[in-house]
Amino acid sequence: EDKVVQSPLSLVVHEGDTVTLNCSYEVTNFRSLLWYKQEKKAPTFLFMLTSSGIEKKSGRLSSILDKKELFSILNITATQTGDSAVYLCAIQGAQKLVFGQGTRLTINP
Amino acid sequence: DGGITQSPKYLFRKEGQNVTLSCEQNLNHDAMYWYRQDPGQGLRLIYYSQIVNDFQKGDIAEGYSVSREKKESFPLTVTSAQKNPTAFYLCASSQWTDSNQPQHFGDGTRLSIL
Repeated sequence: EDKVVQSPLSLVVHEGDTVTLNCSYEVTNFRSLLWYKQEKKAPTFLFMLTSSGIEKKSGRLSSILDKKELFSILNITATQTGDSAVYLCAIQGAQKLVFGQGTRLTINP
Repeated sequence: DGGITQSPKYLFRKEGQNVTLSCEQNLNHDAMYWYRQDPGQGLRLIYYSQIVNDFQKGDIAEGYSVSREKKESFPLTVTSAQKNPTAFYLCASSQWTDSNQPQHFGDGTRLSIL
């Protein structure tokens, strides 16, 4: 059975700190790994990763995939209060996405 | 604006009642999905549909039913057989189920029991 585990489940930091969110997975037919940000409603797409070792970057956010060790990290530098959200990691298998539990990130001013 | 519209935003169900959640997309996507999200948990797949008039059960389909009569619409019915329906329901769509294009989500419907 495909499985995604995120850690930590919850994280509280101060504005300006750098955070690293983790995602490990087991999947029988890997196609891609996705990161989403969920504030109060719809998850919004951040990154899709398909190849090992290639960093994807968008502003202060970056992510990388290790297909040998079966994990991905999401880094956020110089955090801002607007980064407070639940960050979801998901694996795209043959037919469907399998989601992790999410990491709830809180940025205190 | 292209996107996914879910309605209503909030819904209350009485005991023994069936309720239907609406999901419409104008992205011309073939695949559509329904997820359930409970506090502290990730999204769990209820049903998905790859083409019109066809759909498959996800991981937690019991107590739910769907239809896909039109490409742009994928309504979800929460039946009285679903004993714990209180949750946040999210609808999503993508080009097709095995594409390397991300799923896009609606704003969700929050269902509660009266």
